[in-house]
Amino acid sequence: GAGVSQSPRYKVAKRGQDVALRCDPISGHVSLFWYQQALGQGPEFLTYFQNEAQLDKSGLPSDRFFAERPEGSVSTLKIQRTQQEDSAVYLCASSPDLRGEQYFGPGTRLTVT
Amino acid sequence: AQSVTQLGSHVSVSEGALVLLRCNYSSSVPPYLFWYVQYPNQGLQLLLKYTSAATLVKGINGFEAEFKKSETSFHLTKPSAHMSDAAEYFCAVSGPTGGFKTIFGAGTRLFVKA
Repeated sequence: GAGVSQSPRYKVAKRGQDVALRCDPISGHVSLFWYQQALGQGPEFLTYFQNEAQLDKSGLPSDRFFAERPEGSVSTLKIQRTQQEDSAVYLCASSPDLRGEQYFGPGTRLTVT
Repeated sequence: AQSVTQLGSHVSVSEGALVLLRCNYSSSVPPYLFWYVQYPNQGLQLLLKYTSAATLVKGINGFEAEFKKSETSFHLTKPSAHMSDAAEYFCAVSGPTGGFKTIFGAGTRLFVKA
């Protein structure tokens, strides 16, 4: 079956622009996670959802970052007024439940110039 | 707060040798523990997980890990390395006290020499 997909795969934004990154989870997976992975580092937790409820957003670096999952399926991570330090790979993962294996998408590589 | 420490950012072994990748966690109660692997230009995939059942956990591709509460460790091993094992390996911890926020280690890159 289809895995987790993310779009776009690559995004170049000028500093100050807003970007929106999309995640399509595996059908039926109730949990969805967002991570930020800087070059040479492990994924850093950003936020997670159980269905449409955002249960933890403690990892969002600033109020410029916003995530939503309005219908409990597709999720969007929005970054307003992008800064160079936002350059990273943004990973999305879904899971059938919060304690289980997370299935990762290929990531979106964001470069802010 | 929970945390994960992976000892050694790079590990190099010869083909056929034992693989040992170290992971120590910090948590007030036994957490859920995971090892993920990231092959070049691919997404992360789960190797194995510990969720309070058997302390010795077997995963895919011949890997296993042992949960040792007294040492707060969850080291990953494989008896005999194969060239195809060359990848980045991440240890991760989540729940039950920290919600299900998943914390990843910085990763260990495994090199396998012919």
